[in-house]
Amino acid sequence: QVQLVQSGAEVKKPGASVKVSCKASGYSFTGYYIHWVRQAPGQGLEWMGRVNPISGATNIAQRFQGRVTMTSDTSITTVYLDVRGLTSDDTVVYYCARSSGDSLDVWGQGSLVTVSS
Amino acid sequence: EIVLTQSPATLSLSPGERATLSCRANESISFYLAWYQQKPGLAPRLLIYDSYYRATGIPARFSGSGSGTDFTLTISSLEPEDFAVYYCQQRSNWPNTFGGGTKVEIK
Repeated sequence: QVQLVQSGAEVKKPGASVKVSCKASGYSFTGYYIHWVRQAPGQGLEWMGRVNPISGATNIAQRFQGRVTMTSDTSITTVYLDVRGLTSDDTVVYYCARSSGDSLDVWGQGSLVTVSS
Repeated sequence: EIVLTQSPATLSLSPGERATLSCRANESISFYLAWYQQKPGLAPRLLIYDSYYRATGIPARFSGSGSGTDFTLTISSLEPEDFAVYYCQQRSNWPNTFGGGTKVEIK
């Protein structure tokens, strides 16, 4: 079936970087953008950006530009989110999601990243 | 950036009742609005896209309407599994944005 499986929870120190993976299966990987959305504990959803799995082209929300990279490896149908310069505000769950016309129709299970000294 | 304001923040209803959730944009987004349901500890689930199209597998009790700046998600008769948080999302302008959410709780 169509699914996105994300990497597991991580604990990082302030200033560190984290790389979250999102493996797609059950559909044509190159046919859909992958978006990243994050959610702080008890808070709402925040859209971060999207990546075109074929070309690697990205659209990243301005507040994350320079600190976030989104990449794709078509050989293993996996997309990656890199976040640098972590602070306590980056203690969130990161979700990847497939888009169909920018509506997000399939979601990963989420990856909790905890930033703590 | 387009701001989506959802109201009310919390809706207290009983099973079988009708739920009406609102999402208002600060400028026109045509019909490019989606609705998601999220339960505790789980990823969001797409319910409605482009204002009124139900996503695959979504029951008919969920319906969406609206265009421009005002949108509504209606749940015609609440089932026990419908008590959750609901978010709207616009895809009209970059960056895509989400509303703050409406929690539908059991009265």
